[in-house]
Amino acid sequence: AQSVTQLDSQVPVFEEAPVELRCNYSSSVSVYLFWYVQYPNQGLQLLLKYLSGSTLVKGINGFEAEFNKSQTSFHLRKPSVHISDTAEYFCAVSDPRGNTPLVFGKGTRLSVIA
Amino acid sequence: NAGVMQNPRHLVRRRGQEARLRCSPMKGHSHVYWYRQLPEEGLKFMVYLQKENIIDESGMPKERFSAEFPKEGPSILRIQQVVRGDSAAYFCASSPPTASRGPGELFFGEGSRLTVL
Repeated sequence: AQSVTQLDSQVPVFEEAPVELRCNYSSSVSVYLFWYVQYPNQGLQLLLKYLSGSTLVKGINGFEAEFNKSQTSFHLRKPSVHISDTAEYFCAVSDPRGNTPLVFGKGTRLSVIA
Repeated sequence: NAGVMQNPRHLVRRRGQEARLRCSPMKGHSHVYWYRQLPEEGLKFMVYLQKENIIDESGMPKERFSAEFPKEGPSILRIQQVVRGDSAAYFCASSPPTASRGPGELFFGEGSRLTVL
C-alpha cells in the first residue's frame, strides 16, 4: 500500500524568504506524485505533478518540486514566498498502473509572515 | 466553464438525522471521487464512482454511509443517522474519462462542511 508522510504540520516563514515543504512517500512500485494547495474554505488546486522524465518539476505560482527516487522524496520549494502563499499544502501519490485514488498526506500549513 | 459544484456548502444536522451531499462533476467528466477531511488528518479517500457504478468503496465506513452516481443528475453521498464524529468537510473531485485524463489529476469542488450537533 502507498502512503505519504509530510514531515512538518506547520511552517511559518517571513515574506520573501525561501521555503521547502517536505514530503516522503512509501511505495513498492513506481509512482505518480502531486502537490495540491488548499486556500481557506476552498477546494484543492493542483500545483504540480511528477509522472516521468525530468525529476525537477515546475508548477504554478513559482513553486517547484524535485523527485528523488533514492530518498523517496518529493519536496516542494519556492525561492521567495508571498503573503498570498499562506495556505495548506498536500502531497499525494498514486499508482500509475490503474484507476487508483490519490493517497494524500496530512498536509502542511504554510503561514507567511509580513 | 463551471468547475466541480458541491452543495450545500454548509449543512447542520442533529444526531440521528440524515445528511445528503451533492456533487456535479465538471462537464465531460465521468469519474467522481469523494474524500473526507477531518482536522489535522488530511484527506481520506472514501469512494470512487463512474456513472451508475461504484468502482472502489474501500474507504467508506461499513454502516450508515452510501454513495451513488446515477445516469442523470449529481453524485450523492448519503449519511444516515449522523453522529458527532461525522462532522467534517466532504470534498468531491472529478476527472475526465481515462483515455484523455492526466493520471491522478483530480479537480476538486469547494467542499460541503457538515456539522452534527
